Amino acid sequence: EVQLVESGGGLVQPGGSLRLSCVVSGFTFRTYSMNWVRQAPGKGLEWVSYINTSTTGTIFYADSVKGRFTISRDDAKNSLYLQMNSLRAEDTAVYHCVGCSGGRCYDDGFDIWGQGTMVTVSS
Amino acid sequence: DIQMTQSPSSLSASVRDRVTITCRASQSIRTFLNWYQHKPGKAPKLLIYAASSLQSGVPLRFSGSGSGTDFTLTITSLQPEDFATYYCQQSYSTPWTFGQGTKVEIK
Repeated sequence: EVQLVESGGGLVQPGGSLRLSCVVSGFTFRTYSMNWVRQAPGKGLEWVSYINTSTTGTIFYADSVKGRFTISRDDAKNSLYLQMNSLRAEDTAVYHCVGCSGGRCYDDGFDIWGQGTMVTVSS
Repeated sequence: DIQMTQSPSSLSASVRDRVTITCRASQSIRTFLNWYQHKPGKAPKLLIYAASSLQSGVPLRFSGSGSGTDFTLTITSLQPEDFATYYCQQSYSTPWTFGQGTKVEIK
């Protein structure tokens, strides 16, 4: 069974930091490109960041998080991470770990999703 | 950035109704268009990729069409488990962007 389990969310003050983790099972993680997608309360889905398979290491960020968030992966641990610094109130959202089989995000969309972890930025 | 606009934002329908949701891109995205179903508290689910390809395991009552800037998701006979929010998403170029969502509610 394919599973993506996010953790690391919580309440943090503006300007603070959090590190999200996503541990996966049930598929060959190293062959998947991975993303973080978030959903603010009462809002729609917003793509945050992308990391390709380790063979290319290509990384993209949404402009809203560029320079503040860092995506990384550890294929040996079947894990994806998101280091979030300089957090703002507008970063409050459920953060989903999302994968694309065979690295085909462009062609085949986001085909596996986790349920997400809630991040609340508030004083 | 490519803007994605869905319509309607919400709709009320009955079981066995035919439902159509449209999605328009601010520029041509060829067929790099995907559809997702999202229920509260659950992980979103990929329904359609590349505008018209049905994801494995998705019921045949779901279909997608379109190319360029205009796309459609059709549910031919709405079932109780289909009440959810539906999103289109362009995968033509980063930043990948989603439509604002269409909430399908029970009439």
